Formats: sequence, structure tokens, C-alpha cells
Amino acid sequence: DTAVSQTPKYLVTQMGNDKSIKCEQNLGHDTMYWYKQDSKKFLKIMFSYNNKELIINETVPNRFSPKSPDKAHLNLHINSLELGDSAVYFCASSQGGLVRDRKNIQYFGAGTRLSVL
Amino acid sequence: AQTVTQSQPEMSVQEAETVTLSCTYDTSENNYYLFWYKQPPSRQMILVIRQEAYKQQNATENRFSVNFQKAAKSFSLKISDSQLGDTAMYFCAFMKLIGGATNKLIFGTGTLLAVQP
Repeated sequence: DTAVSQTPKYLVTQMGNDKSIKCEQNLGHDTMYWYKQDSKKFLKIMFSYNNKELIINETVPNRFSPKSPDKAHLNLHINSLELGDSAVYFCASSQGGLVRDRKNIQYFGAGTRLSVL
Repeated sequence: AQTVTQSQPEMSVQEAETVTLSCTYDTSENNYYLFWYKQPPSRQMILVIRQEAYKQQNATENRFSVNFQKAAKSFSLKISDSQLGDTAMYFCAFMKLIGGATNKLIFGTGTLLAVQP
């Protein structure tokens, strides 16, 4: 069973379209994240949700809107796609908890490669 | 703001040999975590090893070990008895504690390691 699963794995679309990427985790974690990996392989956090509440929003354009219907799901919707949105998007989850707790480990999905033409 | 620097964009090692990947970071915090993640061609982000800053003892996971020098803010990864399956991009990451159940990972730019037969 995949712990953190993302769909789709690949997404090719035209500029200006709206698309969504879905993420689900079956680890029972209460915190989920979206990271973006650009063409130079640089990874940067975009959003984090804890129990459906937005905690981190890292200066991401308003065209990106995360949605968390429950703590096991965190979807990413992107409006009016631009060429610069082409990247690999990773979902991750962690249990969170105390500072000195292994539950802080983040587990990643396999990524979604988004190509905007 | 925290930064993570990996000064070796690419490295190569012969099978069965030992290789060390460098990582330095900058922070004014005292409690934090450091990680090494591996990203093989499959794109999956895989946790290799984790170090708590309050622990002086270096973390070890089978063939992987770290040299954590807190005062120097250095966190290098040593891979012993390198195997072909170790070929991957390796990311060093600093965990910033946001508070409560949420943290965020700040990644370095990665080191592409090639294990040669």
C-alpha cells in the first residue's frame, strides 16, 4: 500500500487552463504539505495544512489554491496555468508532535510532473 | 532565514568505495533537525537519515552515517560500500520548527551521486 499517493503522476496541459492534483495519505498523519521542485531540482515548500487548517503559505501566487477536505487529503488546484508553473509537485505528510519526536519525519509522495505548453 | 548549502553539484564513486557528501547550513536556532533525502531516477523522495541537533552522537543507518558538527554548522553524509542503487540526487535539509504539529523542510540544491561499476 502506498503511504502518500498523488494523482496524476504526469499532467500535460495548455497555458491558461485550470488543473488539480490530488494527494491522499493513509498513515493517519494530521499534517500535509505541498512542495515544488523546479527544473534545476530545487525543492521549496508551498503550503502546509494541519487538521484541515492552513498553517504555511509561502508567497505562492493566488492562482494556487490548496484544499483539504479532511486530514487525509490535500489537493492542489491551479488556475490560469503559466509556463513557469511547469515543475514536479510533491505532496508530503507528517504526524507532527513534540520537537524531540520521530513523528516530525515527512513522508513524500512520488510527485506529479506538470508540463505547461 | 535559514539556508542550506551543498557545494558539490555532482560526485562520482566506484562501487564498494566510500564517499562523503558535504552540507552546511545557517541558523540562529538551537533546536532543529537535519535530514538527508535521496531522490533516485524514479523521482521518489526517500529519507536516508535524520539527526537531532541536541544529540552529539552522529546518526547511523546501516551503510549511511553523518558527521554532525553543530558549532561549524556542518552535516556531511558518508556512504560506505557504495552500491549501484545508491546512484541518486541527495538533498540535505534543515527542519524549521513552526510550532505545534507543523514544521517545514528547507532543502539544499542537491548533489548528484553516480556510483560507477
